[in-house]
Amino acid sequence: DVQLVESGGGLVQPGESLRLSCVASGFTFRNYWMTWVRQAPGKGLEWVANINQDVSARHYVDSVKGRFTLSRDNTKNSLYLQMNSLRVEDTAVYYCARIGYNDYDFDKWGQGTLVTVSS
Amino acid sequence: QSVLTQPPSASGTPGQRVTISCSGSSSNIGSHTVKWYQQVPGTAPKLLIYSNNQRPSGVPDRFSGSKSGTSASLAISGLQSEDEADYYCAARDDRLTGSVFGTGTKVTVL
Repeated sequence: DVQLVESGGGLVQPGESLRLSCVASGFTFRNYWMTWVRQAPGKGLEWVANINQDVSARHYVDSVKGRFTLSRDNTKNSLYLQMNSLRVEDTAVYYCARIGYNDYDFDKWGQGTLVTVSS
Repeated sequence: QSVLTQPPSASGTPGQRVTISCSGSSSNIGSHTVKWYQQVPGTAPKLLIYSNNQRPSGVPDRFSGSKSGTSASLAISGLQSEDEADYYCAARDDRLTGSVFGTGTKVTVL
């Protein structure tokens, strides 16, 4: 079975950093684009960033450009989101998802990890 | 930043048909396929429809999708209590080099 397990969330103050991890299993991780999607409390889904198989392409939503960096280690089946200069508005549950082969469908999702930015 | 517009809520009694609309633009729905995601409260989203009208394995055939121009819709036929959830449309967007989601629709089974 495909599994995506996120970790690394927590409570931080504005301006601080956090690194999220997502460990994949049950499929050939190196063959897939991967993505992060977030959901602020009581709000809808927002795409954050995606990365291709060999890290030659990374894309970010405007609100996190220059602050967040997406990376992956195919030898460890792991995806990472380095989040710097965190803002209160970054507070959300962050989901790791696999991008399938049908025009960017997010076909498998992790359970999410909560990031709270508050003073 | 939701650029796809959905009605905030929809409801029906068990067995009824419910339809949810999703309105976008030429840079997203007009140029790319539409996906629908179901999110039961307190759980992660799940892919419900891809490529406008295709169901992943395991998704009941009472869920169907369609697309026309810059709009799409999701229909739930024979509504069941377990269909009570939030539903989001999504599509790639050429201006974003990523994806955009709809504003979300909460479906209530009366």
